[in-house]
Amino acid sequence: KQEVTQIPAALSVPEGENLVLNCSFTDSAIYNLQWFRQDPGKGLTSLLLIQSSQREQTSGRLNASLDKSSGRSTLYIAASQPGDSATYLCAADVGGYQKVTFGTGTKLQVIP
Amino acid sequence: ETGVTQTPRHLVMGMTNKKSLKCEQHLGHNAMYWYKQSAKKPLELMFVYNFKEQTENNSVPSRFSPECPNSSHLFLHLHTLQPEDSALYLCASTTRTGEDTIYFGEGSWLTVV
Repeated sequence: KQEVTQIPAALSVPEGENLVLNCSFTDSAIYNLQWFRQDPGKGLTSLLLIQSSQREQTSGRLNASLDKSSGRSTLYIAASQPGDSATYLCAADVGGYQKVTFGTGTKLQVIP
Repeated sequence: ETGVTQTPRHLVMGMTNKKSLKCEQHLGHNAMYWYKQSAKKPLELMFVYNFKEQTENNSVPSRFSPECPNSSHLFLHLHTLQPEDSALYLCASTTRTGEDTIYFGEGSWLTVV
């Protein structure tokens, strides 16, 4: 059974700092790995999706990497802003009709 | 706006009530899902529908009854719920063709009193 862990559970950083969020998964036979953002009381917004054949994906100030062999993914946020404050979740997809396992998320607070 | 719309956004119901949550997507996706999100717990998959056919029921109690009349609409019928069923219920959809970004709705906050 796939298990997804995100560390730390919460993170507080000053504005402008670069930061890394971690995601680990136990089953390396994944189809893709997605990172999501969730604002309080809202749904999830997809940030980046990395296919199993890829090593990283970039979107603006966000860069996500994937190392299947070690069962890890990281989300790098450059020059953090208060608007980045949210909970970030990763999800490992082993393919087929819905075998996506979510982590519990990292709650990020960027302090002005 | 993600293209997945959920109504109502907030719902308070008694344990003997019958209510329904609705989800609608016009993204041309063929797979739709219900997830439950409780505090301090990972998202829990409840049901999966692919082309209107249920392909996954993740051991969900029968007081939750899904319905998928077409590939654009998904309902979750609620009956005789318990207070521990209070949570954020999220609907999602995807194409399930391989390049599968998952799109979520804003969720329906359910409180059972």
